[in-house]
Amino acid sequence: KAGVTQTPRYLIKTRGQQVTLSCSPISGHRSVSWYQQTPGQGLQFLFEYFSETQRNKGNFPGRFSGRQFSNSRSEMNVSTLELGDSALYLCASSLGIQANEKLFFGSGTQLSVL
Amino acid sequence: AQSVAQPEDQVNVAEGNPLTVKCTYSVSGNPYLFWYVQYPNRGLQFLLKYITGDNLVKGSYGFEAEFNKSQTSFHLKKPSALVSDSALYFCAVRDGGSSASKIIFGSGTRLSIRP
Repeated sequence: KAGVTQTPRYLIKTRGQQVTLSCSPISGHRSVSWYQQTPGQGLQFLFEYFSETQRNKGNFPGRFSGRQFSNSRSEMNVSTLELGDSALYLCASSLGIQANEKLFFGSGTQLSVL
Repeated sequence: AQSVAQPEDQVNVAEGNPLTVKCTYSVSGNPYLFWYVQYPNRGLQFLLKYITGDNLVKGSYGFEAEFNKSQTSFHLKKPSALVSDSALYFCAVRDGGSSASKIIFGSGTRLSIRP
């Protein structure tokens, strides 16, 4: 089975631009979640989707948004980029929404904002 | 509110020695606890989890973790460290009383195993 696929692997943007990141979960997985990883803040939860519905949202400004499609693929969008948005963005998938399920992570998208 | 603390940013151990990576948590309901490992330029990989039952949980690559309810801890251990264990380790907690609970990760501990 293919793992979680995130594209692109690297992105360089300038302040004020917007960006869209993509995540394809493992086949059969219906839950997708997103995380921001920075050296100073560690791993921060962004949001979680299941069956095209956002189930949970972390403490991020409204510039961060996401969606999930009927095939469970997910996209994350960041508008009006700021320097502080530079980070590794990780996507994870799981079969369902049970709290005891383990997450399968992609390799991430490294976003640099100049 | 849920929280996880990994008090050590870095742990250094000689190869062959036992290792411990510490984690303490706070959650209002039943704690579901997880350990993940991140190798350079990779996403996180699941190591092990505690949901209920035996307090000693065994996972991948020879790792184990001990759940201690009274101390609200879930320390990761391995009897004999390998150089290949060098990586970034994250502890995570989720409130098992709610399927809608968020997963909260600790800040991570960098494990360095010297030959």
